Amino acid sequence: RKEVEQDPGPFNVPEGATVAFNCTYSNSASQSFFWYRQDCRKEPKLLMSVYSSGNEDGRFTAQLNRASQYISLLIRDSKLSDSATYLCVVNTLSTGQNFVFGPGTRLSVLP
Amino acid sequence: DAGVIQSPRHEVTEMGQEVTLRCKPISGHNSLFWYRQTMMRGLELLIYFNNNVPIDDSGMPEDRFSAKMPNASFSTLKIQPSEPRDSAVYFCASSLQSNSPLHFGNGTRLTVT
Repeated sequence: RKEVEQDPGPFNVPEGATVAFNCTYSNSASQSFFWYRQDCRKEPKLLMSVYSSGNEDGRFTAQLNRASQYISLLIRDSKLSDSATYLCVVNTLSTGQNFVFGPGTRLSVLP
Repeated sequence: DAGVIQSPRHEVTEMGQEVTLRCKPISGHNSLFWYRQTMMRGLELLIYFNNNVPIDDSGMPEDRFSAKMPNASFSTLKIQPSEPRDSAVYFCASSLQSNSPLHFGNGTRLTVT
């Protein structure tokens, strides 16, 4: 089983739709979690950190479920510019500093 | 603020040649990471440094790969000799402290023919 798993998609949604991605991780000792966004032929960029109580940044909401070992990202009122690959990242400090990236979920927002 | 700076942006070389990739982390960041990204394998951690000391190099594919961080503002990843299967995008990233998110450079797109 891979350390971090994501549905690769693609998710094709119309503008204005709400879309949700899930990510599961295998190491219960994982301590910090992030969502990154990567555009084609560009570097990954931090979208948001994921906190235990859940957090929101504008149209984006991240949730963490430690018991089930999954992280979610919700995008409301999706825009064309949201089209990208979304990477789930898990950091397990107990084994040193090791950021493990999921394979990413491809999102295409259609006009 | 300057972000993570990588050079070169693109490198095309012939099999057997030595390749050196360079990275300047964000000033004040004490951790530096080298990743490789391919379509087949996604983002893979090669090695990371904490306060210029290599902490985990278990992701380095083989002895042809080596990385150094002689000071807090510079790191190199060297491949010698290079092979076609090394073709990938190599990213350098840095973080402020152990629990902080990573900030990536623009990457070096390496093609080995």
